[in-house]
Amino acid sequence: QKEVEQDPGPLSVPEGAIVSLNCTYSNSAFQYFMWYRQYSRKGPELLMYTYSSGNKEDGRFTAQVDKSSKYISLFIRDSQPSDSATYLCAMSRVNNAGNMLTFGGGTRLMVKP
Amino acid sequence: DAGITQSPRHKVTETGTPVTLRCHQTENHRYMYWYRQDPGHGLRLIHYSYGVKDTDKGEVSDGYSVSRSKTEDFLLTLESATSSQTSVYFCAISEDRDKEKLFFGSGTQLSVL
Repeated sequence: QKEVEQDPGPLSVPEGAIVSLNCTYSNSAFQYFMWYRQYSRKGPELLMYTYSSGNKEDGRFTAQVDKSSKYISLFIRDSQPSDSATYLCAMSRVNNAGNMLTFGGGTRLMVKP
Repeated sequence: DAGITQSPRHKVTETGTPVTLRCHQTENHRYMYWYRQDPGHGLRLIHYSYGVKDTDKGEVSDGYSVSRSKTEDFLLTLESATSSQTSVYFCAISEDRDKEKLFFGSGTQLSVL
C-alpha cells in the first residue's frame, strides 16, 4: 500500500463549480502538507502549503488538513478553465533527511467552459 | 519556473550510453533535488544536495550519480542508461528557512531505446 493515496481522476466539472480534491495517507509522522498544480509538459508549481492540522485559504483555494483522519483536501471555488491541470498532494516529516516529499500520484482536473 | 533551467528539455539515447542532465538555478538556494516522474509512481526523489559537494541518495538512486561543484549547478548522470530510466526528470530547489517548499524546473523528457 502506498503511503499517500490520491484518486487519479480525471475529474470533469463545469465552469463555476466547487471542486474537491483529496488525499489520504498512512504515515502519522507527516507534518507538512502541500498541494502542487502541474500543467501539461510543465513542472509542478507550489499552490498551497500548510503545517499540521487546520484550514488555509488563498483566494479561490482552500487547503484543509485533518490529521486525526489522515486526510487532506483542496477546495477550488468558482473553478475556471485555467484551473484544468493535474493536482498533486505532497507531504513530509519534520527534519527528514533530504527534505524528501512523498507525493500522491495526482488527480487530473478538467474544467469545461 | 523560479529561476531554474533544465537542459536538455528532450533527449533520446540508446541503452548502455552515459547521459548527463543539467540543472542551473539563479536563486542561490542551498538545496537542490532530482526527481523522476512516472505514471503510477508519481514523483520520486533520486538524489539531493544540501550544499556544494554535499549530496546524498534519495529513494530511487540506483543507476544514478550526481555532482554539485557550484551552488548554481546540479548534474544528474546515468552511467549506463537502461530502458527503465525512460522518464521525465525534474530538478527542484528550496531555501534554508523554508526547505520543505520545493520549486520545480520544467523537466527533461528522457527516452532510452
